[in-house]
Amino acid sequence: EAGVVQSPRYKIIEKKQPVAFWCNPISGHNTLYWYLQNLGQGPELLIRYENEEAVDDSQLPKDRFSAERLKGVDSTLKIQPAELGDSAVYLCASSYRDPGEQFFGPGTRLTVL
Amino acid sequence: GENVEQHPSTLSVQEGDSAVIKCTYSDSASNYFPWYKQELGKGPQLIIDIRSNVGEKKDQRIAVTLNKTAKHFSLHITETQPEDSAVYFCAASKSYKLIFGSGTRLLVRP
Repeated sequence: EAGVVQSPRYKIIEKKQPVAFWCNPISGHNTLYWYLQNLGQGPELLIRYENEEAVDDSQLPKDRFSAERLKGVDSTLKIQPAELGDSAVYLCASSYRDPGEQFFGPGTRLTVL
Repeated sequence: GENVEQHPSTLSVQEGDSAVIKCTYSDSASNYFPWYKQELGKGPQLIIDIRSNVGEKKDQRIAVTLNKTAKHFSLHITETQPEDSAVYFCAASKSYKLIFGSGTRLLVRP
């Protein structure tokens, strides 16, 4: 069974540029999460989806961050414009039910110059 | 809201020795406590979890204990091997939202 797939794995951009991350969850997993992981820290939840509905986006900085999950499968997380402080690893996770074991993807490491 | 503290931040042990990582949580309503292992360049992977109606759980060389009264839970790894070297995260939740500790970097010296 394939795990959670994320792309790109690495991204380097200049500040004020837009960036997008893509996630394909494990087949059959209805719940999808985006996490932010700063260096030396544990992951922090940004947004949670149940199918195509964002049921918790309270931690998402909505002035510059947006996310979507069309058709309740793949998801995209966007930052526009990126700031220096956005440099981090962006992790996607999925679970079959909620609450349930969360399976993480490898993450996208973002560097903002 | 929930807060999870994890200690130590780094731990170095000799191969074959035991390793213990401790976490405390603040929200007494938390009822699910997973432990994740994160290797370099990879996402966290669940290695063991425990629910609040259980005091201890073991899976081969890994065990987790939970003290609800003190709001402590610990990860125990016995007979450590070099491949156990990684960053370990504890987490606590009362629903879907996992609150993670800051991680422990474990180094197992051959």
